[in-house]
Amino acid sequence: GQQLNQSPQSMFIQEGEDVSMNCTSSSIFNTWLWYKQDPGEGPVLLIALYKAGELTSNGRLTAQFGITRKDSFLNISASIPSDVGIYFCAGVNAGNNRKLIWGLGTSLAVNP
Amino acid sequence: SAVISQKPSRDICQRGTSLTIQCQVDSQVTMMFWYRQQPGQSLTLIATANQGSEATYESGFVIDKFPISRPNLTFSTLTVSNMSPEDSSIYLCSAGALAGSTDTQYFGPGTRLTVL
Repeated sequence: GQQLNQSPQSMFIQEGEDVSMNCTSSSIFNTWLWYKQDPGEGPVLLIALYKAGELTSNGRLTAQFGITRKDSFLNISASIPSDVGIYFCAGVNAGNNRKLIWGLGTSLAVNP
Repeated sequence: SAVISQKPSRDICQRGTSLTIQCQVDSQVTMMFWYRQQPGQSLTLIATANQGSEATYESGFVIDKFPISRPNLTFSTLTVSNMSPEDSSIYLCSAGALAGSTDTQYFGPGTRLTVL
């Protein structure tokens, strides 16, 4: 099935550093969602974006819905050890009957 | 948001048997979905659970193998039938189309299934 291009695939950073990851698509999306998944848990919604150009923050996390509606990024500022996990982007495009299309995930490791 | 629970959280099953996974949402929701996730991979949609009608399956998934029930707006079950080791995976349910967030989905904690 269709998947989003998510990068980077993995990151290993020092505590306190900022992190940026992004997702791109060849088609237009109406909604972009960012999730975090810890081992043994289900994905937890971090940020939801519904309009082109929208910039939304959730604590140290900031995400933007690209103006072309074909991309989105997630930034994490001042990373801490509990930021470790896998981050997934997901989107809904027009006419997809509310089914999510997923990126392959970005695995984040933080060195204390 | 919605709080979603799943039972069982994990199970180890014998080849050829079936397992039914339950998903309970703390509020009425329009959409419920079932996913499969292999270790280290992204989520794959199995089907959309429709209240009062047959589930809508994605390509590669069939009702005989993954029968789904959705008797009301807060509950759904997924059965993994005639299991084989290839069915070992994490199974996740999600709820979507909550008021004010039509496309957002919230996930349960998952059921980790191992088939011997």
